[in-house]
Amino acid sequence: EVQLVQSGAEVKKPGESLMISCKGSGYIFTNYWIGWVRQMPGKGLEWMGIIYPRDSDTRYSPSFQGQVTLAVDESIATAYLQWTSLKASDTAVYFCVIQTGSTSMIRDWGQGTLVTVSS
Amino acid sequence: DIQMTQSPSSLSASVGDRVTITCQASQDINYYLNWYQQKPGKAPKLLIFDSVYLEPGVPSRFSGSGSGADFTFTINSLQPEDVATYFCQQYDNLPLTFGGGTKVEIK
Repeated sequence: EVQLVQSGAEVKKPGESLMISCKGSGYIFTNYWIGWVRQMPGKGLEWMGIIYPRDSDTRYSPSFQGQVTLAVDESIATAYLQWTSLKASDTAVYFCVIQTGSTSMIRDWGQGTLVTVSS
Repeated sequence: DIQMTQSPSSLSASVGDRVTITCQASQDINYYLNWYQQKPGKAPKLLIFDSVYLEPGVPSRFSGSGSGADFTFTINSLQPEDVATYFCQQYDNLPLTFGGGTKVEIK
């Protein structure tokens, strides 16, 4: 069974850094892109970007380029989403997803990680 | 970016009703359109891919149609368990983009 298990909820202050994780299992981790999708409170879904574990090829949405960093450690089948300086507007649930291609449907989703940024 | 305009943003219908949601892309996306269902506190679930194909295990009362820039999602005979928010999503081009969502409630 394909599974994406994300790290737990985080509460941070503005300006702090953060890295959340997503561990894949039940499939060949290096064969598929891992993406991230943001959902702000009560709002819709926003695709942030994807990374290919085999070579770390990364594609960012223009809306998120420079705001976050995607990374991966294929040795432990884990992807990461990183911020260097959080803002209150980063408060959201973040889902990791599997994509079969750089452009593809999304069949598999993590459970989501709630990030709350508040002073 | 390809903009996806979904309507209505919310609807209320009776059990057994037919419900229709539309999604319009800002340019031709061929058939690269998916529909997702999201229940509160849960991750979205893929229902329909490539505009018309039902994901395995999804009830046949759900259907999709369309190509190019105009797409339709239908629930035939709305059931109480269908209360959720539904999103369309294009994957013709990066960045992938979603419609704004349609919240479906029971009257």
